Amino acid sequence: GIQVEQSPPDLILQEGANSTLRCNFSDSVNNLQWFHQNPWGQLINLFYIPSGTKQNGRLSATTVATERYSLLYISSSQTTDSGVYFCAVELGAGANNLFFGTGTRLTVIP
Amino acid sequence: DAGITQSPRHKVTETGTPVTLRCHQTENHRYMYWYRQDPGHGLRLIHYSYGVKDTDKGEVSDGYSVSRSKTEDFLLTLESATSSQTSVYFCAISGGDSYYYGYTFGSGTRLTVV
Repeated sequence: GIQVEQSPPDLILQEGANSTLRCNFSDSVNNLQWFHQNPWGQLINLFYIPSGTKQNGRLSATTVATERYSLLYISSSQTTDSGVYFCAVELGAGANNLFFGTGTRLTVIP
Repeated sequence: DAGITQSPRHKVTETGTPVTLRCHQTENHRYMYWYRQDPGHGLRLIHYSYGVKDTDKGEVSDGYSVSRSKTEDFLLTLESATSSQTSVYFCAISGGDSYYYGYTFGSGTRLTVV
């Protein structure tokens, strides 16, 4: 099956710092999403981004499908950004299996 | 997310007993999914549904069955629970249309099999 690798596995930031999370995938994908799992376990969809760049407040994401990677940028980090960030990909339209990476655990300290 | 709810939120059960988890959506989305989340494995797909009475297996379907008799409800059943099925179970929904395949997840069910 497809391999989804995220880096770094763990990241500790001072509040206010910026960070970049990376997701590499081993095959062409039709669907790529970024999720944030907060400390209470809730999974929140951040971006649906199979290609191109999107921005939402302090977060932005870029996917370069031809080179099989995606980046999630967090600017001016806040303690509420803490949690685990997952990248998930789907192989084909209607493939109906979102493969998840093992995540990046982010801790933002005040 | 208010449009998708899971019940129960927590459950402890004994090995060998049947267990049913419920996922209910108010978004009228076509696709519904059951995932399990385990340390070191991330989230893995158990079963999914692409319509009423239309279901298919995911990558970790052994020991699980599902049913979808209405658009809004997707049930996951462990016929005879085992300790290896101790996990956090998430339901997800998606519209499945050609324009947007974003997934929305429920709050999860923490299941412990003793």
